[in-house]
Amino acid sequence: DIQMTQSPSSVSASVGDRVTITCRASQGISSWLAWYQQKPGKAPKLLIYAASNLQSGVPSRFSGSGSGTDFTLTISSLQPEDFATYYCQQANSFPFTFGPGTKVDIK
Amino acid sequence: QVQLQESGPGLVKPSDTLSLTCTVSDYSSVYYWGWVRQFPGKGLEWIGTIFHSGISYSNPSLKSRLTISIDPPKKQFSLRLTSVTAADTAIYYCARLFGRGATIDGHDYWGQGILVTVSS
Repeated sequence: DIQMTQSPSSVSASVGDRVTITCRASQGISSWLAWYQQKPGKAPKLLIYAASNLQSGVPSRFSGSGSGTDFTLTISSLQPEDFATYYCQQANSFPFTFGPGTKVDIK
Repeated sequence: QVQLQESGPGLVKPSDTLSLTCTVSDYSSVYYWGWVRQFPGKGLEWIGTIFHSGISYSNPSLKSRLTISIDPPKKQFSLRLTSVTAADTAIYYCARLFGRGATIDGHDYWGQGILVTVSS
């Protein structure tokens, strides 16, 4: 199985900050990586698919990059509604696996 | 806007079988369907994915206890997990998966989730 790790596990930031979250796969997954945002009590929401493709309706301040084993989710200017937990998920092969999550909270 | 709704019991006794159904507002054979769970206060765990054809893939940690099935005419797919324990207590989400060609890109629509507690 492909193991996914994320760093940091949590980050404290202020509105307007640039935030970068890293996801690493235990083996190469090409660009088969998705990013999700989850707020408390809500279902996850797809932000990015295929490593860098912005899902329809997602603000352009979110961007993704990377391929192979190392990936990055960047929020260019953090907004109040962006405080949440972010998960990566590999879609390269079954069984699909999620990263452990990165919590973005208010500094 | 596609809507998915989980249904099933919120409380299951240890050693019993957990059965959940997901009803989809707008079913299409071009998509894939799946289940993800979240342990209380923890991260997400992929449970399994099923194709329109009925072919399914499951988490190896659950494979011996898990059955995922699909009923396109009813716009439903289901999860059946046998011999449950307290460790199966979680929020269970159903979701639609999309892709391009023969590949899957991710889970793009999700149900609201259903909390299932395993307790006597």
